[in-house]
Amino acid sequence: QKEVEQNSGPLSVPEGAIASLNCTYSDRGSQSFFWYRQYSGKSPELIMFIYSNGDKEDGRFTAQLNKASQYVSLLIRDSQPSDSATYLCAVRRALTFGSGTRLQVQP
Amino acid sequence: ETGVTQSPTHLIKTRGQQVTLRCSSQSGHNTVSWYQQALGQGPQFIFQYYREEENGRGNFPPRFSGLQFPNYSSELNVNALELDDSALYLCASSLEPQGVGEKLFFGSGTQLSVL
Repeated sequence: QKEVEQNSGPLSVPEGAIASLNCTYSDRGSQSFFWYRQYSGKSPELIMFIYSNGDKEDGRFTAQLNKASQYVSLLIRDSQPSDSATYLCAVRRALTFGSGTRLQVQP
Repeated sequence: ETGVTQSPTHLIKTRGQQVTLRCSSQSGHNTVSWYQQALGQGPQFIFQYYREEENGRGNFPPRFSGLQFPNYSSELNVNALELDDSALYLCASSLEPQGVGEKLFFGSGTQLSVL
């Protein structure tokens, strides 16, 4: 079992819709969780982090954490074509990344 | 723009050769982590340096080695290059290695091709 699992996608959503990206992790001791966005040919950039169970909102982005179920998700509201990228979930221990979900926002 | 710089941007080597990649961390950051990212995969943790000492290592063989200098810049050295070493090598700096909120700031990466 991989430490961090993500659906590779592509996840295709129409412009203006909500995109929902999911990530599961295996290490119950993990305390912090990060979402990075990576455009094709570029390096990852941090967009959200979350430590506590529940929701955390930042503009159009909402991170959701459920430690009991060992999943973390990212919601992107009012999706824009510029949101098209690969979204990487990362877990603090060993700084482990998932393989990423490719999001395509159709104009 | 994160303030983390990597050099070179691209590199072509042949199997068996050795390579050194360089990274300058963001001002004020004392921790540098190195990652290997193969095409279509997420970054894989190689190792981390904190105040010139190795502070954790991923599942990479000893031919992957590193250094951190007093100014917190860092090098990644790979000996006896193999074809599978072809990947994007990312350097990321952070304020501290132990905090719960360890946020990584990535450089643009070095694309290594091994022929």
